Amino acid sequence: GDSVTQMEGPVTLSEEAFLTINCTYTATGYPSLFWYVQYPGEGLQLLLKATKADDKGSNKGFEATYRKETTSFHLEKGSVQVSDSAVYFCALGDSNYQLIWGAGTKLIIKP
Amino acid sequence: DAGVTQSPTHLIKTRGQHVTLRCSPISGHKSVSWYQQVLGQGPQFIFQYYEKEERGRGNFPDRFSARQFPNYSSELNVNALLLGDSALYLCASSSGGRGNEQFFGPGTRLTVL
Repeated sequence: GDSVTQMEGPVTLSEEAFLTINCTYTATGYPSLFWYVQYPGEGLQLLLKATKADDKGSNKGFEATYRKETTSFHLEKGSVQVSDSAVYFCALGDSNYQLIWGAGTKLIIKP
Repeated sequence: DAGVTQSPTHLIKTRGQHVTLRCSPISGHKSVSWYQQVLGQGPQFIFQYYEKEERGRGNFPDRFSARQFPNYSSELNVNALLLGDSALYLCASSSGGRGNEQFFGPGTRLTVL
């Protein structure tokens, strides 16, 4: 079945560092791909999405490109802030309308 | 506009009991999905309802059931609670099309003792 694998955390970076969180997927068909973020004590929020190959989703300085050839959707940000500390989830929207999730990556940004 | 609302916020039950969780979607959204999130893991899909019909079901036992009402709100019912049912239960609403993002409520924290 469809699945999502993302890098294990926690990932600890200094403020203004470059961020990459890896996400790869296996799927039949052409799924939509999403990054969600969960800030401490808050609910899940959609960060960005891409619905077809080569699409780039972007929001709040974060970017991810839907790469069909490598089945990847890596999350990047050029300069992280302390306020970016959160848990980040990669998810796949399958043909049955459900979201299939990675295990989440905890990001810790130190000032 | 109000976002997705869920009630109750927290719930403590004992093994063998029954629980009902409630969700109200964003106005105009016709689809509601339920997920279970165990601490430290990603959410696991339980059900999706669209226009009051079940459109998808995850790999959960028959103790889990749900329904959607004419106003598109939804209930998740869990019978014969087990300790392993302790988790955050998330409700998400969407307009229902393929690829549509889902908007999540704050969740209901269920503790089974």
